Amino acid sequence: ETGVTQSPTHLIKTRGQQVTLRCSSQSGHNTVSWYQQALGQGPQFIFQYYREEENGRGNFPPRFSGLQFPNYSSELNVNALELDDSALYLCASSWSSGRSTDTQYFGPGTRLTVL
Amino acid sequence: AQSVTQLGSHVSVSEGALVLLRCNYSSSVPPYLFWYVQYPNQGLQLLLKYTSAATLVKGINGFEAEFKKSETSFHLTKPSAHMSDAAEYFCAVSRGSSNTGKLIFGQGTTLQVKP
Repeated sequence: ETGVTQSPTHLIKTRGQQVTLRCSSQSGHNTVSWYQQALGQGPQFIFQYYREEENGRGNFPPRFSGLQFPNYSSELNVNALELDDSALYLCASSWSSGRSTDTQYFGPGTRLTVL
Repeated sequence: AQSVTQLGSHVSVSEGALVLLRCNYSSSVPPYLFWYVQYPNQGLQLLLKYTSAATLVKGINGFEAEFKKSETSFHLTKPSAHMSDAAEYFCAVSRGSSNTGKLIFGQGTTLQVKP
């Protein structure tokens, strides 16, 4: 059973650019949730994807968008990057019935720096 | 709205001493509560979770937490600290009235273990 993987590990972008982060979910999982963790803070929920559809969103602007693929891997896209977008981006995968989910397993994260 | 508050951003204990990390929650529905640990430059690892079964929850690495509804608390304890316990600890509550996988995290508590 493979764990949750994320790529890239680190990324440096400049303001105004666009970025795509990737997450491979654990085998057998159908749900991926994305979180943003600013330095010294707790993670904040961005959105969740369940069976390729967005299934809830946190307080993030529309320039944060995502996708989930038929193999349940996922992408997080951020347009028009701002300095405050600098953070560790975590994804978590789990098996869900749609209403409730089993234990989430987190990936190691992607460290995004916006200059 | 649901929330968690972690009391104390930094806790320091001696090796072998009791570890107590405090978490209070706010929720209008029966909460689903979690404790996660994060080691430097890594993702989150689940220590334990409360899902409305037993109020005393045992987790990995000797940690446990007690759900106290009257005090709206879910404090994390370990009888004897090890050097390897030094890390960042996060308390979280699941949005909604079930384990939705959409977590609201506290600000975190850094645990320092002194030899």
